[in-house]
Amino acid sequence: KQEVTQIPAALSVPEGENLVLNCSFTDSAIYNLQWFRQDPGKGLTSLLLIQSSQREQTSGRLNASLDKSSGRSTLYIAASQPGDSATYLCAVSGNSGGSNYKLTFGKGTLLTVNP
Amino acid sequence: DAGVTQSPTHLIKTRGQHVTLRCSPISGHKSVSWYQQVLGQGPQFIFQYYEKEERGRGNFPDRFSARQFPNYSSELNVNALLLGDSALYLCASSPGGPTLTRNYGYTFGSGTRLTVV
Repeated sequence: KQEVTQIPAALSVPEGENLVLNCSFTDSAIYNLQWFRQDPGKGLTSLLLIQSSQREQTSGRLNASLDKSSGRSTLYIAASQPGDSATYLCAVSGNSGGSNYKLTFGKGTLLTVNP
Repeated sequence: DAGVTQSPTHLIKTRGQHVTLRCSPISGHKSVSWYQQVLGQGPQFIFQYYEKEERGRGNFPDRFSARQFPNYSSELNVNALLLGDSALYLCASSPGGPTLTRNYGYTFGSGTRLTVV
């Protein structure tokens, strides 16, 4: 059974700081990994998708890496801004549990960027 | 293009009642999945539908059911509501088919907030 863990559970940083969020998963047989952002009480916004054959993806100030063999991914946020404050969720898709392509999520990291 | 549309946005029901949640995927997407997110947790997989057939089911009781229509929209039904069913219900849309989903991932709607009292 796939399990996803995100560390830390919460993070508070001053504006302008670079930061790293961590995600680990137990079953390396994944199809892809997605990072999502969730604002309070809202739906999920996809930030980056890394296919299993890729090592990293970049979008603006965001960079996500994937090490499938060790079951780890990191989300790097450069020059953080107060508007980056949200919960960041990591999710992997695969055939775990007998359902093709279902997403298994971590519990998320609550990020607060202080002005 | 419209994104994933879910209705209603908020809903209050009484224990024992029935509820129907609706989702319209992105135009051209053929796969819809449903997730339940309780406060402080990550979303949990409920169902996946592709081409109107159930392709996966999570660890939820039979009170939960769903279907997908010919236009690829979907309904999630929950019978005999319990207090523990209070959650944000999320719908996810993907192009459908293994290769497309592998390459493009999922797009989520804004969710339906269900409160059971």
